[in-house]
Amino acid sequence: SQQGEEDPQALSIQEGENATMNCSYKTSINNLQWYRQNSGRGLVHLILIRSNEREKHSGRLRVTLDTSKKSSSLLITASRAADTASYFCATGGMYSGGGADGLTFGKGTHLIIQP
Amino acid sequence: EAGVAQSPRYKIIEKRQSVAFWCNPISGHATLYWYQQILGQGPELLIRYENEEAVDDSQLPKDRFSAERLKGVDSTLKIQPAELGDSAVYLCASSSRGTQSYEQYFGPGTRLTVT
Repeated sequence: SQQGEEDPQALSIQEGENATMNCSYKTSINNLQWYRQNSGRGLVHLILIRSNEREKHSGRLRVTLDTSKKSSSLLITASRAADTASYFCATGGMYSGGGADGLTFGKGTHLIIQP
Repeated sequence: EAGVAQSPRYKIIEKRQSVAFWCNPISGHATLYWYQQILGQGPELLIRYENEEAVDDSQLPKDRFSAERLKGVDSTLKIQPAELGDSAVYLCASSSRGTQSYEQYFGPGTRLTVT
């Protein structure tokens, strides 16, 4: 079953604009990850934010986490055509049995960057 | 370093036929995952291995799905017999134990179409 929902389901913006997508989840978490999926590179890890962090940056990415609202947001600044992809938040991955649990993904936001 | 390898990339079968997917994880990664991704959805975990042991197969439909990882390296996922609802992309991922980095590395997936 899906852990949560990304919002919006689809987003189309002009190149150079910022893109914001949101994720809500249902259970308590240890960390939350964002992944990107496109036809060229498959599913790729972007960034992880731990439950005791409120904001994290990586290049043009900014992630926020509000554990009281069980929500996270991903901001992509100065978007490029290559950012066209589906973006998923994922929870889980806690360590048990020596390795990390499987992830629970949302349904994703499909982002289209128009040139 | 070489990524997660999967084969075949595409497979078309008729319902009630059998099919097998192969995965070779990143060298040294003890944890291996199989996910099913239905069109328009996020990936859902089917099974997780720690070396050769299946430590979480709670979401694997065991009446028709089976998996093995005999030597703790590469893995095979089988569906027998396939149903129309099994049409999906089957993703294999791996992660490293001990570093607690939580990041999972995904292969390109096998797109299965059941007609």
